[in-house]
Amino acid sequence: NAGVMQNPRHLVRRRGQEARLRCSPMKGHSHVYWYRQLPEEGLKFMVYLQKENIIDESGMPKERFSAEFPKEGPSILRIQQVVRGDSAAYFCASSSTGGADQPQHFGDGTRLSIL
Amino acid sequence: TQLLEQSPQFLSIQEGENLTVYCNSSSVFSSLQWYRQEPGEGPVLLVTVVTGGEVKKLKRLTFQFGDARKDSSLHITAAQPGDTGLYLCAGRTYNNNDMRFGAGTRLTVKP
Repeated sequence: NAGVMQNPRHLVRRRGQEARLRCSPMKGHSHVYWYRQLPEEGLKFMVYLQKENIIDESGMPKERFSAEFPKEGPSILRIQQVVRGDSAAYFCASSSTGGADQPQHFGDGTRLSIL
Repeated sequence: TQLLEQSPQFLSIQEGENLTVYCNSSSVFSSLQWYRQEPGEGPVLLVTVVTGGEVKKLKRLTFQFGDARKDSSLHITAAQPGDTGLYLCAGRTYNNNDMRFGAGTRLTVKP
């Protein structure tokens, strides 16, 4: 998946710590989406952002989770006071526009493990 | 319940066989995409379909979007071990910004 870069690839945190996941979209893409995937399941939408704006955060828990996509730099998904249930693979995707026919290109994800 | 139901959930076949996997919903989609995901990697886009009744071919893979834009199928001809993976369908409805994913079909092609 050349283009969408996520880091770190693996992140281990203890309960109560903060997790910060980064996503750099494909060059020229200004729309970023975050998804969560549990083992043996499909991806679940969390949040959709354009530069400096959150467009849709209907899939993101109200507590402890936040996302941003600043004018400069990568998009960040932040999870505060992590709990065991936050363990999952978190994927970021980007598209050039928000149009329904525009494909989303995915990064290789960050695998978050909570001890 | 999933917005998109994929079937079968698991499929194991021999090299050279044909197969079809399905993606069904009661919702109408403005577009539908098929992805393939390998372990430890992100989904890789295979195709986007946007027109009801549309058929797209990608080498040995044939994708069809239902006339009513509620369902889709993926047919693989003469499957090869390299086709092994998790096949995900994802649709975007008219009133949602996000894509909704099915749980996937996990395909294993044995040599």
